[in-house]
Amino acid sequence: EAQVTQNPRYLITVTGKKLTVTCSQNMNHEYMSWYRQDPGLGLRQIYYSMNVEVTDKGDVPEGYKVSRKEKRNFPLILESPSPNQTSLYFCASSQRGEGYGQPQHFGDGTRLSIL
Amino acid sequence: LAKTTQPISMDSYEGQEVNITCSHNNIATNDYITWYQQFPSQGPRFIIQGYKTKVTNEVASLFIPADRKSSTLSLPRVSLSDTAVYYCLVGDLRDNYGQNFVFGPGTRLSVLP
Repeated sequence: EAQVTQNPRYLITVTGKKLTVTCSQNMNHEYMSWYRQDPGLGLRQIYYSMNVEVTDKGDVPEGYKVSRKEKRNFPLILESPSPNQTSLYFCASSQRGEGYGQPQHFGDGTRLSIL
Repeated sequence: LAKTTQPISMDSYEGQEVNITCSHNNIATNDYITWYQQFPSQGPRFIIQGYKTKVTNEVASLFIPADRKSSTLSLPRVSLSDTAVYYCLVGDLRDNYGQNFVFGPGTRLSVLP
């Protein structure tokens, strides 16, 4: 089954404690992306990756890091989480970029609470 | 960046046709327009995508005028299960290489019995 898998689904942690949210897709997609969703603000893109070793900032990259060492994986790293990063996070992938006509497939989300 | 504007919310009744319009005045030549549906605590789900004129699939229709500065998602005969948030997304090609996609604020559609 084609899917985007995020882990963990829920996490409560404390300020400053480094954490990683994993994202894996089994569709051999080139494009992957991370979004955060906050009430009243919709979905905002954090980082995206066009292919292995190619990443770029989205609209709200501050406080986040990503890496794309393998095509299927695109982890989101919070080196020193702060309470303002409490949010619902979604990973997405698509075949090439959406501008080429391919829709994004989204994971089920990771709810992070930073205390 | 091609920003989008949508109504914050809409109400409808079962069996009616619902039209949700998205404005994207700064849409670029290479941009596609994509609509997603999102239920609470789930990731967005692709509904329909288009570049110009009209696109129809088994779920919805998408109308895009010639100037492409807006688009309208049309849901025929909605049911209670269509209650969700609908996002209009315009793909922004940056430097012919990277892509930065901007979701609109979304339209919360409530379908009433």
